[in-house]
Amino acid sequence: AQSVTQLGSHVSVSEGALVLLRCNYSSSVPPYLFWYVQYPNQGLQLLLKYTSAATLVKGINGFEAEFKKSETSFHLTKPSAHMSDAAEYFCAVSDQNSGNTPLVFGKGTRLSVIA
Amino acid sequence: EPEVTQTPSHQVTQMGQEVILRCVPISNHLYFYWYRQILGQKVEFLVSFYNNEISEKSEIFDDQFSVERPDGSNFTLKIRSTKLEDSAMYFCASRPFTGELFFGEGSRLTVL
Repeated sequence: AQSVTQLGSHVSVSEGALVLLRCNYSSSVPPYLFWYVQYPNQGLQLLLKYTSAATLVKGINGFEAEFKKSETSFHLTKPSAHMSDAAEYFCAVSDQNSGNTPLVFGKGTRLSVIA
Repeated sequence: EPEVTQTPSHQVTQMGQEVILRCVPISNHLYFYWYRQILGQKVEFLVSFYNNEISEKSEIFDDQFSVERPDGSNFTLKIRSTKLEDSAMYFCASRPFTGELFFGEGSRLTVL
């Protein structure tokens, strides 16, 4: 069975500082990995995804994530935080990139950005 | 840009009442899902649906829950007799043959 662990339920950074949100996964097969963002009172929006191509994945809004198989990690980073980045971030894993296999989500990390 | 739409955005109901949450997936998508998120907790998979039948369901999706696609466009989640612990945000999602899930903005259910 697959699972995702997000370290830190709440991360607070200053505006302009590096954002690092941690995600570790467990999967018995090569995983497909996703980061979703949830702004207040909104649905889940895809930030980026890893589907076995390049290990460094660039997403929207300046975010990127690196797949490290040896560390079973898929941490999300952004060089310089902006106030508008304040949201809940969810890491998710799937064993397929097609078909009806559901995503398994982590518990989420709330990002606060301090002016 | 095509999007998944959900109604209602918020529903308040009394314990024991039936609730139907509605979703219109993106039109050319093949796979449909319901997830829920209890306040402050993670997003949990409930059920997936393909070719007019349930493909997979979680332990949460017990006999009180049902899904159907009555008219080829709507995708509904029915809770037969709501309990307090059913209070949550319910997200519908759809997916083409390959690629990521596209989520709606959610329906907040409050059971009193």
